[in-house]
Amino acid sequence: KAGVTQTPRYLIKTRGQQVTLSCSPISGHRSVSWYQQTPGQGLQFLFEYFSETQRNKGNFPGRFSGRQFSNSRSEMNVSTLELGDSALYLCASSLDGQFNYGYTFGSGTRLTVV
Amino acid sequence: AQSVTQLDSQVPVFEEAPVELRCNYSSSVSVYLFWYVQYPNQGLQLLLKYLSGSTLVESINGFEAEFNKSQTSFHLRKPSVHISDTAEYFCAVSEYGANNLFFGTGTRLTVIP
Repeated sequence: KAGVTQTPRYLIKTRGQQVTLSCSPISGHRSVSWYQQTPGQGLQFLFEYFSETQRNKGNFPGRFSGRQFSNSRSEMNVSTLELGDSALYLCASSLDGQFNYGYTFGSGTRLTVV
Repeated sequence: AQSVTQLDSQVPVFEEAPVELRCNYSSSVSVYLFWYVQYPNQGLQLLLKYLSGSTLVESINGFEAEFNKSQTSFHLRKPSVHISDTAEYFCAVSEYGANNLFFGTGTRLTVIP
């Protein structure tokens, strides 16, 4: 069974640009959550999608957005990039967003903003 | 509001010695508790979790953690560490019915040969 796939693995962008990251969940999983990991703030929840609907959102500015497609793949977008957006972005997939049956993380996308 | 405190940012320990990584949480409601491990340039791997039932949970690689409700703690222990256990360890909590995790700041475990 394939795991959670995040693409690309590494990305370098310039301040002011926008970026789109992709997450393909484990087959059959309908929930995808996104987290940001930085040395200063640690691991923080961005948002969760289930069946193409955002069900939960963390405390991030509106520059951070996401969506989920009918095949459960999810993308997150960051517009008007700032240096502080440099981070490892992790996604996690689960059957329904609950933890009883597994909540699996991908290897992440490391975004560097210069 | 939930919060997770990992009291030690770095823990050096000699190979084959025991180790305890401390985790305390605060929440006004019932919670699920987790330990994740992160190796360099990788994502998070679930080490063990407490959802309900026995307060002592074990992983397949010798780690164990005990949920202590009165002390709001979920400390991670291993009786004898190996070089391969060198990694960063994160404690996380989620409230019943929630679909997101709150993480501690992590503890970097370094096993010294």
